[in-house]
Amino acid sequence: DTEVTQTPKHLVMGMTNKKSLKCEQHMGHRAMYWYKQKAKKPPELMFVYSYEKLSINESVPSRFSPECPNSSLLNLHLHALQPEDSALYLCASSQTTGETEAFFGQGTRLTVV
Amino acid sequence: AQSVTQLGSHVSVSEGALVLLRCNYSSSVPPYLFWYVQYPNQGLQLLLKYTTGATLVKGINGFEAEFKKSETSFHLTKPSAHMSDAAEYFCAVTGNAGGTSYGKLTFGQGTILTVHP
Repeated sequence: DTEVTQTPKHLVMGMTNKKSLKCEQHMGHRAMYWYKQKAKKPPELMFVYSYEKLSINESVPSRFSPECPNSSLLNLHLHALQPEDSALYLCASSQTTGETEAFFGQGTRLTVV
Repeated sequence: AQSVTQLGSHVSVSEGALVLLRCNYSSSVPPYLFWYVQYPNQGLQLLLKYTTGATLVKGINGFEAEFKKSETSFHLTKPSAHMSDAAEYFCAVTGNAGGTSYGKLTFGQGTILTVHP
């Protein structure tokens, strides 16, 4: 199983809503990542978890709150988002951080209205 | 700091022609380099990677890339394009252990490859 599964695939939320994005992998990977990808742009790193601990936060606004409940799961909690936060949110995992390849999920297409 | 520059946001080739997608990197430490492909509304799939060792790296779907330290380049090639190769391609870099960029995958701006019949 080399899959990273993200749910939901599409999400529309209002600016006052609270929602969560979920990511799951069963490859035994110990590094998990959240990326944000705007239209016609490359993915931008948001957070890195290594061995279930947050190791990198790329100065992401606090309305995005990551959580890693266990080594297989990664959540991204969303609250009070802005329309400019609309994007494709990609989850990825790798054996460890660094030189090992990252496996990406299909992404969640988020629209903030 | 590390960065990647992909020359050409759009490349168009005929089916059966050579594919060449250019990537130059900037890194203060020996880099790890990757090429990913993204089909519309999908995630990214790794084509190939360079970490250490042989500088000519072979990947999936007939793609290969050569790490040239003197030119700070990691260009992606395929001898014969197929219609199914049409997608967006991203070159990416991450730093090796001990550097501040370790674990941070930085992507280039992407190159959209169009394949004409």
